[in-house]
Parts: sequence; structure tokens; C-alpha cells
Amino acid sequence: GQQVMQIPQYQHVQEGEDFTTYCNSSTTLSNIQWYKQRPGGHPVFLIQLVKSGEVKKQKRLTFQFGEAKKNSSLHITATQTTDVGTYFCAGPGTGKLIFGQGTTLQVKP
Amino acid sequence: DAGVIQSPRHEVTEMGQEVTLRCKPISGHDYLFWYRQTMMRGLELLIYFNNNVPIDDSGMPEDRFSAKMPNASFSTLKIQPSEPRDSAVYFCASSSGPKYNEQFFGPGTRLTVL
Repeated sequence: GQQVMQIPQYQHVQEGEDFTTYCNSSTTLSNIQWYKQRPGGHPVFLIQLVKSGEVKKQKRLTFQFGEAKKNSSLHITATQTTDVGTYFCAGPGTGKLIFGQGTTLQVKP
Repeated sequence: DAGVIQSPRHEVTEMGQEVTLRCKPISGHDYLFWYRQTMMRGLELLIYFNNNVPIDDSGMPEDRFSAKMPNASFSTLKIQPSEPRDSAVYFCASSSGPKYNEQFFGPGTRLTVL
């Protein structure tokens, strides 16, 4: 069945360093969504990308949707301790949204 | 504006007991989802409803799990009998159509089965 894979699974960075997580789908996606889950919290929607090659920014976060609409990335510039959490990508599957396994980001102050 | 409401927030029970988790979706949302999250398996979709009708329950682990949505503002997920391997955080989420729109998650119920 359709799979949405994320790498890396875990990432530890020093505060101020950049961070990138990658999302790859086994099939072409009509759109991709990104969510953030803080430790002990629940997933919160960040953004949705729809167009091939689309790039969107939210302050220090940059989201990209690949030209083939099979991959996406989330890049955080100059991480802060508030960026700690797990970042999930999710794409439409057969009748439902398929979530990747997430990338957990730890930031050392 | 209230988000998705779940109760209880924490549940500790003994193996063999019945557990009922409750969810109130955001008013006006026509999709409701139940997820289970564990370290080993990540975020798993158990079942989802559209306009109170179960659409896909292929993620429900076994017959011990059942879910209902008697009206647009209430859903339950029941485990009977519960087992230690059911220990997880259970999230309810809702969204408004179309099907793949942004989902709003509740705070979750942390279930521990001893």
C-alpha cells in the first residue's frame, strides 16, 4: 500500500543550527500537509502545499513540495528551543490521510 | 472557540476492564477520526466517520475495539476487554470537507492498562 516515509527519525541540534526533515511518498500526492507535535501534546497543523515545486515560508520555517509531487521538506533556520517536538508530514492515501512516522527534533540550548 | 474535546485525559485500568473514550468534534466539522499513538507504531488511524457514518475501520486492531458516532457532536471509542498492549495515547481529530483537509486534533487520552 501507499507509504509516506520521513527521515531522519531523530535529530539533535545545537540551538542556532539549521534543521531539515524530508518526506517521501511512494505515489504522487495531490497535496502534502505538515504537523507539529510538542512533547506531551497533540499534532497541530502547520501548512498544506498543493502545487508542484511550491515553497512556503512561516518565519524561520520553509516548506517545499517537490516538482514530481512525491517528496517534501521542512527546513528550520536557526533553531530555537521552542522548535522542539515531532514534525509529521501527511499525504492523501486511499480514502484517508497517511501520516509519516515523524522526525523528532531535540534542541540543545 | 472550543477545539476538539476528549475525555478522560488520563485513564488507568486493569486488564479485562471495559474502557470508553469520548470525543466532541469541532462544531460544523463533518469528518471525525480516531488515532492511536505509540512509540513503536507511531500515529495510526483506527477509524473515521463522515456525517456520523463509519467510512473506514480497517485500522481497528481487532473485535475488542468498537467506535460509534450517534450524532454530529459526539463519538466514542470502546475497548472491551482491554489488554496491556492497548496502552497508548488515543487522539480524536475532526475536519471539514473535503476529505483531505487540515485535521484538528484533540488533546488525547492517555490510556494505561495494567
